[in-house]
Amino acid sequence: KAGVTQTPRYLIKTRGQQVTLSCSPISGHRSVSWYQQTPGQGLQFLFEYFSETQRNKGNFPGRFSGRQFSNSRSEMNVSTLELGDSALYLCASSPGTGQDTQYFGPGTRLTVL
Amino acid sequence: GESVGLHLPTLSVQEGDNSIINCAYSNSASDYFIWYKQESGKGPQFIIDIRSNMDKRQGQRVTVLLNKTVKHLSLQIAATQPGDSAVYFCAENPNNAGNMLTFGGGTRLMVKP
Repeated sequence: KAGVTQTPRYLIKTRGQQVTLSCSPISGHRSVSWYQQTPGQGLQFLFEYFSETQRNKGNFPGRFSGRQFSNSRSEMNVSTLELGDSALYLCASSPGTGQDTQYFGPGTRLTVL
Repeated sequence: GESVGLHLPTLSVQEGDNSIINCAYSNSASDYFIWYKQESGKGPQFIIDIRSNMDKRQGQRVTVLLNKTVKHLSLQIAATQPGDSAVYFCAENPNNAGNMLTFGGGTRLMVKP
């Protein structure tokens, strides 16, 4: 079974731009969660999508948004990029039956200049 | 677990010795706990999980212990190998309506050959 895939793997943007990251979950998984990882703040939860609906949300500003498609693939968008948005963005998928094991993708490394 | 930014606690062990990595969690309502291993340039990899109705769970070479009284988790790795060198994170899921992990700051395990 293929694992979680994320595209692109690396991205460089400038302040003020917007960016869209993509995540394809493990086949059959219906829940996709997004996390931000930085050296200063560690791993922080952004949001979770299940059945095309946002089921949980972390404490991030409205510039961070996401969506999920009917095939469970998910995208997250960050608008008006700031330098502090530079991070590794990780996607995790799980069956979605409640508290179940989340499997992570390799991440997208975003650098904001 | 506390976030320690760039200065991760480090555990250095000799190959073949047992390793114990500790984690304090924050939410007494959390009832699902997971340990992840993250190697450089990769996403977190699931190691083992435990639910709050248990105090011990064993996997292959790994054991997780849960002490709810003092909100403490530990990961024991038997016969530590060079391939175990990585950063280890504990995570708690306080939400029984989905997936919303809160991560500890991580511990770097270094295995000396």
